[in-house]
Amino acid sequence: KAGVTQTPRYLIKTRGQQVTLSCSPISGHRSVSWYQQTPGQGLQFLFEYFSETQRNKGNFPGRFSGRQFSNSRSEMNVSTLELGDSALYLCASRQGASNGYTFGSGTRLTVV
Amino acid sequence: TQLLEQSPQFLSIQEGENLTVYCNSSSVFSSLQWYRQEPGEGPVLLVTVVTGGEVKKLKRLTFQFGDARKDSSLHITAAQPGDTGLYLCAGAWAGGGADGLTFGKGTHLIIQP
Repeated sequence: KAGVTQTPRYLIKTRGQQVTLSCSPISGHRSVSWYQQTPGQGLQFLFEYFSETQRNKGNFPGRFSGRQFSNSRSEMNVSTLELGDSALYLCASRQGASNGYTFGSGTRLTVV
Repeated sequence: TQLLEQSPQFLSIQEGENLTVYCNSSSVFSSLQWYRQEPGEGPVLLVTVVTGGEVKKLKRLTFQFGDARKDSSLHITAAQPGDTGLYLCAGAWAGGGADGLTFGKGTHLIIQP
């Protein structure tokens, strides 16, 4: 059974640019969540999608957005990149609200 | 903002020693999970605890959920170098809300041969 797949693994962008990250959940998992991980703040919740609908959203500015497609694949977009957006972005899927997450390996974003 | 505090933040011990990692909050969890993360990878789920006072064992790892569901601990017996990693606790708040899972900042564990 394939795990959660995130692409790309590494990304370098310039301040002011925008970026799109992709996540393919485990087959059959309809819930996809995104987290930002930094050394100073740890893992912080960005948003959660279920059946193409955003169910929850963390405390991040509107530059951070996401969506989920009918096949449960998800993308997140960050516009007008800032240096502080440099982080490991993790996607996780789960079967239901009472199940634990399965995480992907993440996308390491560096903003220069 | 609800916080999950983990302690210690860093721990370096010799192979064969025992250790305990703590996860505390002033709020009540509906469930709590422990994850282990290695460099360059995403966290891997170790266990989920749901009932106050619950104890779960995973080989040399013992997880305990506090009676009041506000705290949890992870105890490792006879630690081995393969246990090295970042251990994270994550809670779902009993009051619900739109914050997803809240993660502690983690315990960086190093087991020296």
